[in-house]
Amino acid sequence: EAQVTQNPRYLITVTGKKLTVTCSQNMNHEYMSWYRQDPGLGLRQIYYSMNVEVTDKGDVPEGYKVSRKEKRNFPLILESPSPNQTSLYFCASSLKRTGSYTFGSGTRLTVV
Amino acid sequence: DQQVKQNSPSLSVQEGRISILNCDYTNSMFDYFLWYKKYPAEGPTFLISISSIKDKNEDGRFTVFLNKSAKHLSLHIVPSQPGDSAVYFCAASGQMKTSYDKVIFGPGTSLSVIP
Repeated sequence: EAQVTQNPRYLITVTGKKLTVTCSQNMNHEYMSWYRQDPGLGLRQIYYSMNVEVTDKGDVPEGYKVSRKEKRNFPLILESPSPNQTSLYFCASSLKRTGSYTFGSGTRLTVV
Repeated sequence: DQQVKQNSPSLSVQEGRISILNCDYTNSMFDYFLWYKKYPAEGPTFLISISSIKDKNEDGRFTVFLNKSAKHLSLHIVPSQPGDSAVYFCAASGQMKTSYDKVIFGPGTSLSVIP
């Protein structure tokens, strides 16, 4: 089944403790992206990647890092999480420029 | 400044009637528009799209209309069914700063279809 898999689904952590949210896709998509969803703000792009070793900042990149060492994986790294990073995170991938993304099921992150 | 706006946070419609979800955008460089549907505890799923060279695209019960001069698009669902109850995100792409087209999402409209 074609899918984007992200883990964990739920995570509660403390301020400053480094964490990684993993994302993997099995569709051989070149484009991958991370979004966060907050009430009233919709989905805002954090980082995106056009291909292996090619990444760039989205609209809200502060406090986040990403890497794209393999085509299928695009982890999101929070080096020092803060409470304002409490949010619902989605990883997505796409074959082409049209933006019809396939999304993962989401990661609900709470930073206390 | 939101480039993609969905001014109705919520909408309630009777089963069998038409649902109309609206979306406005500000950037005239957008050339591709999409609608996504999201159920609770799931990721958004792609529903329907339209290119700026068209003014209408239909897929079963779902039709998207684009009015480029007004920078407005709408999603029509006919007839509405209880299973259509979800959050609907409008999205736009086509900013040609690089070879990659960022997708900009609106804030979403929560649709409730009442049986």
